[in-house]
Amino acid sequence: DQQVKQNSPSLSVQEGRISILNCDYTNSMFDYFLWYKKYPAEGPTFLISISSIKDKNEDGRFTVFLNKSAKHLSLHIVPSQPGDSAVYFCAASAGNQGGKLIFGQGTELSVKP
Amino acid sequence: DAGITQSPRHKVTETGTPVTLRCHQTENHRYMYWYRQDPGHGLRLIHYSYGVKDTDKGEVSDGYSVSRSKTEDFLLTLESATSSQTSVYFCAISADRRGFSIEAFFGQGTRLTVV
Repeated sequence: DQQVKQNSPSLSVQEGRISILNCDYTNSMFDYFLWYKKYPAEGPTFLISISSIKDKNEDGRFTVFLNKSAKHLSLHIVPSQPGDSAVYFCAASAGNQGGKLIFGQGTELSVKP
Repeated sequence: DAGITQSPRHKVTETGTPVTLRCHQTENHRYMYWYRQDPGHGLRLIHYSYGVKDTDKGEVSDGYSVSRSKTEDFLLTLESATSSQTSVYFCAISADRRGFSIEAFFGQGTRLTVV
């Protein structure tokens, strides 16, 4: 049972345009959500997070939106740059589950010059 | 970079042999995790720890055991390695803040091949 799902395995975007990566979850107890970026042969690196008490969080070119009623979150990257090409994972955590992080399958973003 | 060291970084082992992977942190973080990454599956939680000697199973724990005798070390053991355990293994750590977990930091990974 996949509690966190990223239904798009890949996404291709032109440099300078917006990249939108999507993530759905099923567990209504999740109260903290994170996005990670991963390059080949490296560990994932933290990008941005959002608590369930918010519906938006921004950090530079990265914005995460949370729609609790739809159990959906998205990561917007504006403007997209070739260096953003990587695999992006969303993750979720429930405060009553001792910090356990559940990840989606990942979306491979390719930003073309 | 967060102080996380995984060892070994690469290992090839034979089916049926025991294997232990080590994760060492210098951040004094409470939570430690072991994940495996496989094509099409993303990152799947194997086991995690919420304190010394406090561990719990993740979604793919069969065939794996863990131990945490010190805050800084989290060991993952494959008692009898199988080819299905060929994967890239990541250790992660996170602190605890007001009951909410915050961002986890990952190690560089261990590529394990079982032949």
